[in-house]
This record gives sequence, C-alpha cells and structure tokens, in this order.
Amino acid sequence: SQQGEEDPQALSIQEGENATMNCSYKTSINNLQWYRQNSGRGLVHLILIRSNEREKHSGRLRVTLDTSKKSSSLLITASRAADTASYFCATDARSGKLIFGQGTTLQVKP
Amino acid sequence: EAGVAQSPRYKIIEKRQSVAFWCNPISGHATLYWYQQILGQGPKLLIQFQNNGVVDDSQLPKDRFSAERLKGVDSTLKIQPAKLEDSAVYLCASSLIGGDRGTQYFGPGTRLTVL
Repeated sequence: SQQGEEDPQALSIQEGENATMNCSYKTSINNLQWYRQNSGRGLVHLILIRSNEREKHSGRLRVTLDTSKKSSSLLITASRAADTASYFCATDARSGKLIFGQGTTLQVKP
Repeated sequence: EAGVAQSPRYKIIEKRQSVAFWCNPISGHATLYWYQQILGQGPKLLIQFQNNGVVDDSQLPKDRFSAERLKGVDSTLKIQPAKLEDSAVYLCASSLIGGDRGTQYFGPGTRLTVL
C-alpha cells in the first residue's frame, strides 16, 4: 500500500524558478527520504530527514518535516533543466522498509 | 565505486512464461531489496534480504514470485508463470546496513513487458 502521497502530481516551471513538492503520510515514521528518478532510470537518493529533525539542507535542496501534520516538503531552489525528473518521498517506519508515494513529475523548461 | 548492477535491462515475454532477473549489489552491502514499480506509481517493496536471510517478504506474491540470495551477495528474482499485470520495472537496491541508517542505492532496473 502507498503511504506517502505527493502533491502536486505534476509541476512545470521555468529554469531559475523554485519548485516545491509536498508529501503527506499516514503512520508514525523513523525517517522520511526523498528520491529522484530520471526517465527510464533507477532512483537516486537525495536526502534523509529523521523524525526528530524539522529541516535539512543539501545544496539547492531544502526539506522540512512536520510530524504533527504528517507532512514533508521538498524545495528545489534555482531550478535547472537537469532537475527534470520524478521525485518520490519514501517513509521508513521500521527495519529500513521504505514505502514510496506516487511521485511528483517535475518539468523545468530552459 | 561500482553501483548496483541489474540484468537484463529489458525483457518481453508472453503470459504464462517464466522470467528471471539478476542483481549484483554494491560490494559489502549486507541488505538487498527488490521493488516492483508499475508505470505511474512509486516502487513497492517485494522482498528484503539481510545477508542471505529474508527480513520481509510480506508483499511478495509467493504463488508466482520467488527470490533468493545465495552466499549473501547476488540475488535472483523469478516470476513463474507471468501474468499481464506483472508488466513493470523491477528495481534492485542495496544498503550497507538495514534500518534507518541505511541509504538505499538503486540499480537501473529491468523493464518487463508481459504480452
């Protein structure tokens, strides 16, 4: 079953703009992770935020986590055409078992 | 460092045939995962191995799917017999350790089409 639900399902922006994707989940978690998937390729791990953390940064990525609302957001600043991909949130409730959401498809136009 | 290797990259079979996928994880990674990703959806965990033991196979359709990880390294996933709804990308991932400290590294996947 899918635990995380991403919003929006699709997002189209111009290069240089910021992109924000949201993820909601249903049960308690140990951590939440974001992955990127380019068309026809495997998933690449972007960032992991633990349940006791509220915000984390990695380069142009900023992730927030609100466990009271069971939600997370991924912000990509100053987007580039190379950021075009699908982005998935995945929750880890126990033992490293990840439950993925449906994903947000991001298109960055040059 | 070499990544997770999978083969074949693409496979087309007819329903009721059998198929096998192979995965070679990153060297030293104790935990190996197989996921099924249907078009337009996120990956769904089928089975998780810790070394050569099964940690979680609760979502593996055991009447037709089987997986093994001999010697705690390579793994194979088999479908027999295949159904139309098995058309998907099968992703293998590995991590150094299990639990929430193990970032998962994914292979390129095998795209299966069942006709």
